[in-house]
Amino acid sequence: AQSVAQPEDQVNVAEGNPLTVKCTYSVSGNPYLFWYVQYPNRGLQFLLKYITGDNLVKGSYGFEAEFNKSQTSFHLKKPSALVSDSALYFCAVRDIGNYGQNFVFGPGTRLSVLP
Amino acid sequence: DTAVSQTPKYLVTQMGNDKSIKCEQNLGHDTMYWYKQDSKKFLKIMFSYNNKELIINETVPNRFSPKSPDKAHLNLHINSLELGDSAVYFCASSPWTSTQETQYFGPGTRLLVL
Repeated sequence: AQSVAQPEDQVNVAEGNPLTVKCTYSVSGNPYLFWYVQYPNRGLQFLLKYITGDNLVKGSYGFEAEFNKSQTSFHLKKPSALVSDSALYFCAVRDIGNYGQNFVFGPGTRLSVLP
Repeated sequence: DTAVSQTPKYLVTQMGNDKSIKCEQNLGHDTMYWYKQDSKKFLKIMFSYNNKELIINETVPNRFSPKSPDKAHLNLHINSLELGDSAVYFCASSPWTSTQETQYFGPGTRLLVL
């Protein structure tokens, strides 16, 4: 079965500092990996995804994520955080070989960027 | 410019009532989904439809019944509402059921059962 872990409920970072939101996954086959962001009282917005190819994926709003197969991780990063990045971030995984499986979302990590 | 829309945005109702939430997407996508987000923000899929046909039905009480009149709409009907049904319900769509496709989410419907 697929699963996603986001080990930190909350991440606090000062504006201008680099940020990392961690994600590890478990699938039986090869994964497709996604990051979504949820702003207060809004739906989820797609940030980026890893399908194949370069392990470093660049996405919206200056975010990037690195796929590490040996560590089964897909951490989200940004070189310089903005106060407006404060939101709830979800990592999600899909098993490439498992057509019938849908997205499995992690529990979410709340990012607070302090001015 | 709303791609995936849901109505109503807020729904407050009494236990035992029956209610519906509507979802429409104007992206031309073939696949639509319903998710439930609980008070702890856990997000869990409930149903998935492809071209009006049910393809995923997770462990959801049969009080919940999705209805897809056409591939642009996926409505959620809930019978005999219970307190535990209080949550935010998100509709989503994707071009097709390929596992690499991004899902696009609606703004959510906040259901409160009293």
